[in-house]
Amino acid sequence: EAGVAQSPRYKIIEKRQSVAFWCNPISGHATLYWYQQILGQGPKLLIQFQNNGVVDDSQLPKDRFSAERLKGVDSTLKIQPAKLEDSAVYLCASSATRGHTEAFFGQGTRLTVV
Amino acid sequence: GQQVMQIPQYQHVQEGEDFTTYCNSSTTLSNIQWYKQRPGGHPVFLIQLVKSGEVKKQKRLTFQFGEAKKNSSLHITATQTTDVGTYFCADRRGNTPLVFGKGTRLSVIA
Repeated sequence: EAGVAQSPRYKIIEKRQSVAFWCNPISGHATLYWYQQILGQGPKLLIQFQNNGVVDDSQLPKDRFSAERLKGVDSTLKIQPAKLEDSAVYLCASSATRGHTEAFFGQGTRLTVV
Repeated sequence: GQQVMQIPQYQHVQEGEDFTTYCNSSTTLSNIQWYKQRPGGHPVFLIQLVKSGEVKKQKRLTFQFGEAKKNSSLHITATQTTDVGTYFCADRRGNTPLVFGKGTRLSVIA
């Protein structure tokens, strides 16, 4: 079974630039998460999708972050404009249902904002 | 919002020693999931606990869920260098998102 695919693996941008991350979840997984993990901290949820609908985006900084999951499969997370404090690993995860099932994580995208 | 607290933040042990990390909540948890993240890697699911007082074992790892469902622990017997990483507990209540603690970083000295 193929895992969660993310790209790119690494990205370096200057502050105030824009950046986009892509995630392809495990086939058939209805739930998709985007997490932000700052070095030395636990993953912080940014947004959760159930199919193509948003379940929770309460911690997404909506003035600069946006995410979509068109057709309920792939998802993109965008930051515009980026700030220095956005430097982190952005993890995408998927799970089979919204209930008591494990989340499978992708390798993540390491973003450095200079 | 909901939050789980993990202690300790760091733990350094000699290879062969035991290790325990604790996950605590001020409110009742629906279920607890444990994940391991190797240095430079991504979180990988270890186990889920659902029932009050539940104990599950995976080889040298023992997971417990408190009777009041407000705390959980992960115990590793006779640590090995392959156990190095950060161990996270994650709280899931009903249909709410998976919320992670800050993790316990384990270092094993050979």
